[in-house]
Amino acid sequence: GAGVSQTPSNKVTEKGKYVELRCDPISGHTALYWYRQSLGQGPEFLIYFQGTGAADDSGLPNDRFFAVRPEGSVSTLKIQRTERGDSAVYLCASSTRGAGELFFGEGSRLTVL
Amino acid sequence: GEDVEQSLFLSVREGDSSVINCTYTDSSSTYLYWYKQEPGAGLQLLTYIFSNMDMKQDQRLTVLLNKKDKHLSLRIADTQTGDSAIYFCAEGSGTYKYIFGTGTRLKVLA
Repeated sequence: GAGVSQTPSNKVTEKGKYVELRCDPISGHTALYWYRQSLGQGPEFLIYFQGTGAADDSGLPNDRFFAVRPEGSVSTLKIQRTERGDSAVYLCASSTRGAGELFFGEGSRLTVL
Repeated sequence: GEDVEQSLFLSVREGDSSVINCTYTDSSSTYLYWYKQEPGAGLQLLTYIFSNMDMKQDQRLTVLLNKKDKHLSLRIADTQTGDSAIYFCAEGSGTYKYIFGTGTRLKVLA
């Protein structure tokens, strides 16, 4: 597609449930990032992929969060045993390399009740 | 650790200039960015400046960088109602990890 695509755009779930958020980056972009934006805050780094591998997952808050990018294109962010504090907009971005301009998707808004 | 700070709100009248300020702490920052976020939309890169530059102008946008004081500003000339959005300053040290500020909400009054 022309831009970074994220699905679902909105997800409401109950505390304790499992959630998957999907990101389809711009074709040809090797670098992919996940950020989390809480209400009234700027985006916070979660994880960075270069190709299929997670080059840096130091921003993941705990082991309930996991992300994969098995074929070096689409990525899935997985959250287990969701908590109310996980409610935020999860942003995906891609770039041609591991620096320079990031192209962001519109985000997936997660609400945990 | 690295930190990026911005004022939360700015209100200007249509046609006036807007100046959004940002301070950062990482002296090794190589690139400094301004992103715009409109309601319900993703972040859009407006402009960026290399750390070895003092100023960059791009149409209605002027970026000023004071590296000594670690201060970055974005000036929007002839501000329009369509400029109403949240503006984020971000720093990068040439690697993949960008540090974003909390954002400045710009409201343009007609």
